[in-house]
Amino acid sequence: AQKVTQAQTEISVVEKEDVTLDCVYETRDTTYYLFWYKQPPSGELVFLIRRNSFDEQNEISGRYSWNFQKSTSSFNFTITASQVVDSAVYFCALSEVYTGTASKLTFGTGTRLQVTL
Amino acid sequence: DGGITQSPKYLFRKEGQNVTLSCEQNLNHDAMYWYRQDPGQGLRLIYYSQIVNDFQKGDIAEGYSVSREKKESFPLTVTSAQKNPTAFYLCASRSGGPFNYGYTFGSGTRLTVV
Repeated sequence: AQKVTQAQTEISVVEKEDVTLDCVYETRDTTYYLFWYKQPPSGELVFLIRRNSFDEQNEISGRYSWNFQKSTSSFNFTITASQVVDSAVYFCALSEVYTGTASKLTFGTGTRLQVTL
Repeated sequence: DGGITQSPKYLFRKEGQNVTLSCEQNLNHDAMYWYRQDPGQGLRLIYYSQIVNDFQKGDIAEGYSVSREKKESFPLTVTSAQKNPTAFYLCASRSGGPFNYGYTFGSGTRLTVV
């Protein structure tokens, strides 16, 4: 069975601080996808990144960066110079690769990030 | 623009009544999903469907039912058997290709049972 653990329930930072959201996953699959989503107060899920298990390169997109380490089954997300607009719940998720049945997303419990002035 | 439409955004029902949540997509996606979100518990999979007239139970299917009569539509019925139906419900879809893992989510329906 797949499992995603986000141990940080809530994080509070002051604007311009850097913050890292942790994600640890478990899967027996050798091929899988990892995702991060942002959920603002309005409720919709905003896609941030998708990474397949064969690609361990770190990725940077503006103030966002992701550190994928297969050896520790972690896919951590860092926001540099946080802003108030970054306040949201962030979810890490894992998807098995299509094997003839519909693949499924398994979500972590989310980390609520509060950025204050 | 293509996307997923969930309606209504807010729904109130009396205890013991069945209620159906709508999910429509115009993305021509094969697979569709229903997730439930409770505070502090993340999103949990209720039901999913890969193709028309086929669907499978997810992790928390008890008290729910679905149908997939059309590719575009995947309605979820919350039955009176669901012990604690008050929650936020999210619908999602995904193209059926083996290497396409872009999931699209709707904006959700918040169900309150009084």
